[in-house]
Amino acid sequence: NAGVMQNPRHLVRRRGQEARLRCSPMKGHSHVYWYRQLPEEGLKFMVYLQKENIIDESGMPKERFSAEFPKEGPSILRIQQVVRGDSAAYFCASSPLLGQSSYEQYFGPGTRLTVT
Amino acid sequence: DQQVKQNSPSLSVQEGRISILNCDYTNSMFDYFLWYKKYPAEGPTFLISISSIKDKNEDGRFTVFLNKSAKHLSLHIVPSQPGDSAVYFCAARDSGAGSYQLTFGKGTKLSVIP
Repeated sequence: NAGVMQNPRHLVRRRGQEARLRCSPMKGHSHVYWYRQLPEEGLKFMVYLQKENIIDESGMPKERFSAEFPKEGPSILRIQQVVRGDSAAYFCASSPLLGQSSYEQYFGPGTRLTVT
Repeated sequence: DQQVKQNSPSLSVQEGRISILNCDYTNSMFDYFLWYKKYPAEGPTFLISISSIKDKNEDGRFTVFLNKSAKHLSLHIVPSQPGDSAVYFCAARDSGAGSYQLTFGKGTKLSVIP
């Protein structure tokens, strides 16, 4: 019974490169969320997706960041032309479709992005 | 503008005693609250939650209390164990916002001393 899976766990990119972070939700979960955690901070919501749909991207920076959750395959968070300020831990979470338990989000281990 | 505040960055408790972690919120539209535990280099792990229609929820050693009038919730861990040492995050959801996003506090680092 695999939990939320994220890869890579660690990613190093030079300024100006692209970063792609992947997330596979728990089996049976159809909602995916991305959060970012800066050092000494709490997690900040970025985007909420269902299969083939972006439901809420109110936390996403307007430029360089995009997310998708295709019909097949993992959800992808893409950061173009990375800058040092993008260095953070990026967490993906998933929740089931319906009911009270859909309020509870289950997190993956995170991807730690370092921009040099 | 922090809508969820955990004012104690750290807390030390003796093993076997009670740990009380506090959380305050400002958004009166929050209607569901969750506590997560996080170890270094791992993702947050869901611990316990409470709906705004309740004032208490208990699960084993963990109890969450909600005081809506004070916009305050707390997590009680009793008895505390060394394995409970971690960062604890309070989170809240505004179901009226049409989104399932969670708003997190900055966390409280709990150290349980053997």
